[in-house]
Amino acid sequence: EPEVTQTPSHQVTQMGQEVILRCVPISNHLYFYWYRQILGQKVEFLVSFYNNEISEKSEIFDDQFSVERPDGSNFTLKIRSTKLEDSAMYFCASSADGQLDQHFGDGTRLSIL
Amino acid sequence: QQQVKQSPQSLIVQKGGISIINCAYENTAFDYFPWYQQFPGKGPALLIAIRPDVSEKKEGRFTISFNKSAKQFSLHIMDSQPGDSATYFCAASNGAGSYQLTFGKGTKLSVIP
Repeated sequence: EPEVTQTPSHQVTQMGQEVILRCVPISNHLYFYWYRQILGQKVEFLVSFYNNEISEKSEIFDDQFSVERPDGSNFTLKIRSTKLEDSAMYFCASSADGQLDQHFGDGTRLSIL
Repeated sequence: QQQVKQSPQSLIVQKGGISIINCAYENTAFDYFPWYQQFPGKGPALLIAIRPDVSEKKEGRFTISFNKSAKQFSLHIMDSQPGDSATYFCAASNGAGSYQLTFGKGTKLSVIP
């Protein structure tokens, strides 16, 4: 069964450093998403991306965050200057259509020191 | 308005019993209601989803019941097994231009032999 893959599985970064989280969505999917889950809390929406542009973003997704689809297969989330409160699990998801089921990767655990 | 309230926070069920998890929402524009299952260290995995045009959807041992007038929906796991022990999240989205999923806080289910 096709799946969303994310790398790395764990990223440890010093506060203030830039970090890039990578995702390979399911190949025929057109809609891409990033969510995050702070330890023990619910999953929160960050951003959705379609047709090479952001469709929607949450209040969490401020100017420190950016997304990119640099080629036909990868979808990345960049945090420009990380803060301690950015420590969380970051999940990438994709769907064939905006109204259809979203499939999640296993996440990247981001730890900011 | 955007919240999805999920209960209970944790649930212990005997093997073979029925697990019931409830969710309630306020936003009447929500029109898609998925349930996700999450094992430790893994991403949320789509379990089953429903739209408001039906009151019930069944897939194997998993059933979603939907009450549009009460703005509530629930997940029933029949013949619960120890392998069902996981955290379950309900979610909702508004398909009219917004595909972000709004998640409940999760229910940790433990099925004991």
